[in-house]
Amino acid sequence: GAGVSQSPRYKVAKRGQDVALRCDPISGHVSLFWYQQALGQGPEFLTYFQNEAQLDKSGLPSDRFFAERPEGSVSTLKIQRTQQEDSAVYLCASSLGGIGGRSNQPQHFGDGTRLSIL
Amino acid sequence: TQLLEQSPQFLSIQEGENLTVYCNSSSVFSSLQWYRQEPGEGPVLLVTVVTGGEVKKLKRLTFQFGDARKDSSLHITAAQPGDTGLYLCAGGRTLTGGTSYGKLTFGQGTILTVHP
Repeated sequence: GAGVSQSPRYKVAKRGQDVALRCDPISGHVSLFWYQQALGQGPEFLTYFQNEAQLDKSGLPSDRFFAERPEGSVSTLKIQRTQQEDSAVYLCASSLGGIGGRSNQPQHFGDGTRLSIL
Repeated sequence: TQLLEQSPQFLSIQEGENLTVYCNSSSVFSSLQWYRQEPGEGPVLLVTVVTGGEVKKLKRLTFQFGDARKDSSLHITAAQPGDTGLYLCAGGRTLTGGTSYGKLTFGQGTILTVHP
């Protein structure tokens, strides 16, 4: 399809394990965002990429969270030594433009990865 | 920390009723977007407002951006069961120097249930 694709859709891990979440943005989209959404809450910003450059990682909760987008397309969000408080839906979004663009560019969201830490 | 406060958090109404959802902040936003999210899916953009006082209509939905660009409202006329979902407002800011990349600050959402 032409939308943002995230995998896996569901991930269950034991506390202390490492997990990797994948995002395939819309082809040609410069900007890529990761958000964390707790149950019944709005998404919260984690990090932003313009092409392969990570320009804003101010929302990452701790140094256990790491994101990359090495070739400017697919992105991976990695969480090391998972904790129960990491349980949430992780959303990826992409948009066409980058820095210097309009703040109102539409973001296209994937359906998220629901992460459960036991 | 959520800088956008949405109210009400929950709304349960009968088909045909009207409703308004509010989104308020002490901060100025360069744009305000409204999204609708269904269970198991990502948010889907409904509308973007960028000018203070702007009003946009999308069928039975009316969106308004406050004059000071700190608040917004979503009004639904004659709600239908298909309107059921989580409604999210999200503010975008222009960075120092006038640039922006679209980072969004979301409200906590309003869960709307419309009963047949």
